[in-house]
Formats: sequence, structure tokens, C-alpha cells
Amino acid sequence: NAGVTQTPKFRVLKTGQSMTLLCAQDMNHEYMYWYRQDPGMGLRLIHYSVGEGTTAKGEVPDGYNVSRLKKQNFLLGLESAAPSQTSVYFCASSYPRSDPPNTGELFFGEGSRLTVL
Amino acid sequence: GQQVMQIPQYQHVQEGEDFTTYCNSSTTLSNIQWYKQRPGGHPVFLIQLVKSGEVKKQKRLTFQFGEAKKNSSLHITATQTTDVGTYFCAGSSVYNFNKFYFGSGTKLNVKP
Repeated sequence: NAGVTQTPKFRVLKTGQSMTLLCAQDMNHEYMYWYRQDPGMGLRLIHYSVGEGTTAKGEVPDGYNVSRLKKQNFLLGLESAAPSQTSVYFCASSYPRSDPPNTGELFFGEGSRLTVL
Repeated sequence: GQQVMQIPQYQHVQEGEDFTTYCNSSTTLSNIQWYKQRPGGHPVFLIQLVKSGEVKKQKRLTFQFGEAKKNSSLHITATQTTDVGTYFCAGSSVYNFNKFYFGSGTKLNVKP
């Protein structure tokens, strides 16, 4: 059981280039998330999805797009990379809980370190 | 928008001393989760609290959820060097329990 897998693990881009980060989970989870982590700022939510074909904005969505065409995959795209997007990106997945209605624990991938020059 | 504030930012303790980190939210939370991240690693789930006033224990770790469901704390008794890492709380609001906001984390260093 691989859990949550992110690719690539490292990438260096030049300003203005585009790229896609792929997140894949094999736990049949409904919910998936993209966070970025910068020193001293914790994890900030970029976008998330509560099911196949649905996406929603988080705290810091500008400059990013996402797609959830298949339940197991959640893609994060940078159309025109900027140095401010240098960060470590974490994908996570989770599942709905009941009694009371809620969200279960987040399972994180290993992270993708992106540097934009 | 919703914010989850966490203090302190750093804590240095001698092995055997206790440690506490606190989380406060500007809005009522549906639930709160705690995570531990080792240096160079990814966040790993520790526990989830959903009920007002809930207290849960895991060996030397004690987690509390406030009566108003706006604050939480993690207390470690008699720290060990294996406790080193950054501890994060993450909360979701009663209006959207899918959307988790993380605190900025407390980085714990334990001197042997």
C-alpha cells in the first residue's frame, strides 16, 4: 500500500515556466488537498477537492490551478511560475466521518520541493 | 476568514521537562487535529478531537479541546529526544468541515 505518492519530489524551474505536480492516492479517499509549506508559516491550503470532478479554493489559490478528473489523482498546475512559488508542496487525502459528520485524518505525501529561479 | 493561531513558535527544553503548545481559532471549530513533523519529513497524524471539552491521552501526550471548541492544547510530560519535531494543529470550521487550516506550528527541541 503506497498511500499518497507525489511526483516529482524535486524540481527547479525558471520564472515563467509551467509545470504540473501529480498526487496519487490508493486509499479510495474522497477528499484531497494541496498545501504549501514555507519556513515559519506552517501549511497553507492552496486548493482542495471533496470528490471526483470537484475542486475548491483554499487560502492561497492565486497562481495555481487544479484538476481532479479521477478520484485517485489530484493535479496541481503552475501556469507561469514565479520565485514566490518556491516552496515545499504537500498533497494529502482524507475521508468523510459520521457521528458527527466530519473529516478524518489527513494522510500526507512525502512532499515536492520546488525552486523557481 | 478563519485563522488558527499557534503558540509558542519555538520551545527548547531539557530532556525530562514538560512541553505545551496552544492553538486558538477565531471561529468555532468542527474538529481539531494534531500532527507531528520531523525535520525533512511530512506531517504525521497524532489525534483528532471532535467533542467540546474532550481530553485524550496517548502515553505521555495529552490533548484537550476547549469547551467552546475554539482552542486546543497538546501537553507532553517528561519530554524525550524522540519528541523533537514541529507540532501542528489543524482545524476545520463548523461551516465547512472539509477545509482544514493549519497553525504555524511549534518547533520543539529537546536537549539530552
